[in-house]
Amino acid sequence: DGGITQSPKYLFRKEGQNVTLSCEQNLNHDAMYWYRQDPGQGLRLIYYSQIVNDFQKGDIAEGYSVSREKKESFPLTVTSAQKNPTAFYLCASSPVGIHEQYFGPGTRLTVT
Amino acid sequence: AQSVAQPEDQVNVAEGNPLTVKCTYSVSGNPYLFWYVQYPNRGLQFLLKYITGDNLVKGSYGFEAEFNKSQTSFHLKKPSALVSDSALYFCAVRLRMDSSYKLIFGSGTRLLVRP
Repeated sequence: DGGITQSPKYLFRKEGQNVTLSCEQNLNHDAMYWYRQDPGQGLRLIYYSQIVNDFQKGDIAEGYSVSREKKESFPLTVTSAQKNPTAFYLCASSPVGIHEQYFGPGTRLTVT
Repeated sequence: AQSVAQPEDQVNVAEGNPLTVKCTYSVSGNPYLFWYVQYPNRGLQFLLKYITGDNLVKGSYGFEAEFNKSQTSFHLKKPSALVSDSALYFCAVRLRMDSSYKLIFGSGTRLLVRP
């Protein structure tokens, strides 16, 4: 997990509220990613960003939004439009030319 | 559809015995394949990858994996399991997306090593 921090570790919200998850990396990686993990389903890509001020939708972007104003930061907002937001959220990053991604410790979001 | 399959939800093995965690893939072209490990409530840790070359790749913590193109498999192996190897293991394949790439993950296999 070294070099990528996610906060908070646990987050509780009421239904209908937007919530922002933090992801910061000090690895000088260009690319950053957000995944959602649900039991028995592996990881699914929400959004990704290759460079500052640019990002693209992944496979399950509906109900989520991101920004990439700084190279080291890639926050994820879970909006009230996300129908089933309770999940474990993982942020990852990778440098140019390197195939594997490096993951943060994750944030467990519970919405009731 | 391009995908990765991990056919076993759980693998049980006794400490000291060899272990195998299975992975098969369905992608076009030459695949880039990865194994990650996840401990409870933690992020994923990279174990090893196959890009090209020798079909047997070695990774962290004594793990290795064998790429088999004819069987479209990339099974994770370790000669002698440790109790501390108990964790959730994910196989992944890299897919091209426009000007970048993404990882497609299998559903995960829980490895339980009993003392």
